[in-house]
Formats: sequence, structure tokens, C-alpha cells
Amino acid sequence: DVVMTQSPLSLPVTLGQPASISCRSSQSLADSDGNTYLNWFQQRPGQSPRRLIYKVSNRDSGVPDRFSGSGSGTDFTLKISRVEAEDVGVYYCMQGTHGPLTFGGGTKVEIK
Amino acid sequence: EEQVEESGGGLVKPGGSLRLSCAASGFTFSNAWMTWVRQAPGKGLEWVGRVKSKANGGTIDYATPVKGRFTISRDDSKNTLYLQMNSLKIEDTAVYFCTTDLSGLREPPWGQGTMVTVSS
Repeated sequence: DVVMTQSPLSLPVTLGQPASISCRSSQSLADSDGNTYLNWFQQRPGQSPRRLIYKVSNRDSGVPDRFSGSGSGTDFTLKISRVEAEDVGVYYCMQGTHGPLTFGGGTKVEIK
Repeated sequence: EEQVEESGGGLVKPGGSLRLSCAASGFTFSNAWMTWVRQAPGKGLEWVGRVKSKANGGTIDYATPVKGRFTISRDDSKNTLYLQMNSLKIEDTAVYFCTTDLSGLREPPWGQGTMVTVSS
């Protein structure tokens, strides 16, 4: 199974400051169809998950443009340009290239 | 609006069985790849398995920890997804969510999940 490793585990951030979460996979996530199936999810406290980014860098509808995804191969990053209070929660990367699909362990974003 | 609603959770003894259901609405269920994800109390998200649409072969894939014990099925006439869970273990205790294709072009809908507790 592909192992997804996120860092840091916890990320205290000052409001209005940027935040960056790293996600590394144990194998390249580049698919033979030319796509890279790396997705990012947000789970606010007490809520169900919500997808933010699909295929590395595509934002889902309604996701603020302060969220951006980048990367290739085995190294990926989720960036929040200016953290707002509503961004508090746990963020997960997930690979959809190799079966079985797997999630990272999560990164908890909190306000300092 | 695309919606899913899970049901069927409860308390079951180790070694027991349970069947979860997921009722879908607001989208063409028969065309959708459907996924089960779970979350143990205080833990992260874990992919459980997925069934593709019949048009894409209806292939079913499972996570390693549940392979051979869990069975995913779908009834396109009822817009319903199922998860049959057998030989349940304490470590299967979790909230179980159903959703669509996590890598698809459309944002996958999420329900509130249904809690499964495996305990003696």
C-alpha cells in the first residue's frame, strides 16, 4: 500500500499569516493516464470532511483562493496564503492513483 | 443538491455482523463511483473501499484491513450503497461515511456518517 506522510502533525498559525502543509507519498502518484491523483481534504471540528483540492492543484467550487495545492511525483504541498479563523481543523492528503487508496495521517491547524 | 445519508450503525459484539446503507440523491447514482471512508474516535480518515459504476465495470476495491471481511454492493434501482461488515473487530469501531469518487471532477458530498461500535 502507498504510505502518505504528512508534516507537521500540528501547525499553530497566527491569523493572517501563511501556512504550509507537506505530504509525501512512498511511490510516485503520476498515473499512466497523465493525471496525478492527489487530493486535499479539510475537516473542521465536529464536521464531516470536505474536499478542497483535487488532482494536485484544482480547487473545488466555493473553496477560497487563499488555498492552493502544488507538487508532483512524491512531494506535495497545501498552502494557505493568509489563515483565517474558519480554517481551523485537520487537513488530510489522499492519493487516488494506486489501489488501495490511502490518506495521510492529518495535520491539525490551530490559531496561536 | 447532491446528498448522501448513511444509516445502519450500532453496537455489535466482536465477531458479529452489521450492514450499513447509504441513500443517495441529487445526482445520477448509477453513473457514480461510490466510496466508504471511516474514522475511528479521535483518529484520522481511513479509506475503506470503493465500487465503480457498472459502466466502468463495477469493479470493487477494498482497504487491506477489511479485505475478506467487508463487502460493498450497490442497488442502482434504489440509489443505495451498502457495506456488509462481517467478522467485526474492536478496531473497526468508527464513524462510517459514504461519498462519491474522491478524485472525481465533482466535489464529493458527505453525510454525517453512522457510528459503528464493536465491543463485548
